[in-house]
Amino acid sequence: AQSVAQPEDQVNVAEGNPLTVKCTYSVSGNPYLFWYVQYPNRGLQFLLKYITGDNLVKGSYGFEAEFNKSQTSFHLKKPSALVSDSALYFCAVNYGNMLTFGGGTRLMVKP
Amino acid sequence: EAQVTQNPRYLITVTGKKLTVTCSQNMNHEYMSWYRQDPGLGLRQIYYSMNVEVTDKGDVPEGYKVSRKEKRNFPLILESPSPNQTSLYFCTSSWTSGSPYNEQFFGPGTRLTVL
Repeated sequence: AQSVAQPEDQVNVAEGNPLTVKCTYSVSGNPYLFWYVQYPNRGLQFLLKYITGDNLVKGSYGFEAEFNKSQTSFHLKKPSALVSDSALYFCAVNYGNMLTFGGGTRLMVKP
Repeated sequence: EAQVTQNPRYLITVTGKKLTVTCSQNMNHEYMSWYRQDPGLGLRQIYYSMNVEVTDKGDVPEGYKVSRKEKRNFPLILESPSPNQTSLYFCTSSWTSGSPYNEQFFGPGTRLTVL
């Protein structure tokens, strides 16, 4: 069975600083990995995905994620955080016909 | 506008009273699914459907039923709701031929309270 771990419940960062939201996964075979973002009172929105190829994946709103097979990680990054990036972020892994989500990490960007 | 819609958005009900949460998508997606979101537990999949008349259990199917009679609709049925089904529910859809490794489109959510 596949699983996803997001070790930090909350990440605090100052506006303009780089941010990292961590994700590790466990799955047999090749992983298909995703990041989604949830704003208050909204459904989740797709940010980016890794299927195969380049280990650095670029997505929406200036976010990117780095796939590291040896560390089974897929950390979400952004070079310069904005206050508007404050939201709940979910990492997910696909295996077979199911998508499994991590517990979520709340990102707080302070002015 | 391409979207997934859910109704109702908010529902307060009592234990044992059957209810249905509707989900509809206008993108001709084959794959649809239901998740529940609970604090500290993230999102857990309840049921998914690869196509019309094809459904399968997710991680937490107990107490729920689904049907997929039409491609666009995927209702979630709680035959006898219990307080532990109080949660935020999301319907999703995807345009792939059945595999969810394309991004999921999420509905706005249905907040259900069972007293």
